[in-house]
Amino acid sequence: DQQVKQNSPSLSVQEGRISILNCDYTNSMFDYFLWYKKYPAEGPTFLISISSIKDKNEDGRFTVFLNKSAKHLSLHIVPSQPGDSAVYFCAALNTGTASKLTFGTGTRLQVTL
Amino acid sequence: GAGVSQSPRYKVAKRGQDVALRCDPISGHVSLFWYQQALGQGPEFLTYFQNEAQLDKSGLPSDRFFAERPEGSVSTLKIQRTQQEDSAVYLCASSPPVGLGEKLFFGSGTQLSVL
Repeated sequence: DQQVKQNSPSLSVQEGRISILNCDYTNSMFDYFLWYKKYPAEGPTFLISISSIKDKNEDGRFTVFLNKSAKHLSLHIVPSQPGDSAVYFCAALNTGTASKLTFGTGTRLQVTL
Repeated sequence: GAGVSQSPRYKVAKRGQDVALRCDPISGHVSLFWYQQALGQGPEFLTYFQNEAQLDKSGLPSDRFFAERPEGSVSTLKIQRTQQEDSAVYLCASSPPVGLGEKLFFGSGTQLSVL
């Protein structure tokens, strides 16, 4: 039972353009969402998060949008840079339990020159 | 150290062998998590410690998996009688008492291959 889904295994975007990564969830108890970035042979690193009381959170080139009614979130990267090439994981948390993150399967982003 | 340290970086085991994976969290971090990441999948929760107390072990796939953190710092994940399906990257993460997932720092993982 995949509670957090990233349906696009890979995405290729030209440098300078917008990258949009999508994530869907099924568990309505999730109320906090995070994006992690992972380079090969390294552990995931935190990128940006959003609480369910908001619908948008912005940090520099990165913006996360949350549509609670659709149980959907997306990560926008503008402008995309070659250093953004990595695997991006969406993760969700029930702050009532707060003990564990549930991750999606990841989207591999390649930013081309 | 500056980050979460895991050892060994790679481990090859014969089926049926016992293995022990070590995690050194960031100094002062109270919470420690173990995750299992199979090839092409996202990390899946295994177990969670707060100091030396194991508060959640609901993700451990079988009784062959055992984790401990006896002094509230270093943690060991032990897998007995390894099977091929145990092949995965095992990630350890630690976090301070305050904050949510943004405070979670992951190690580089131990890649376990069971032949």
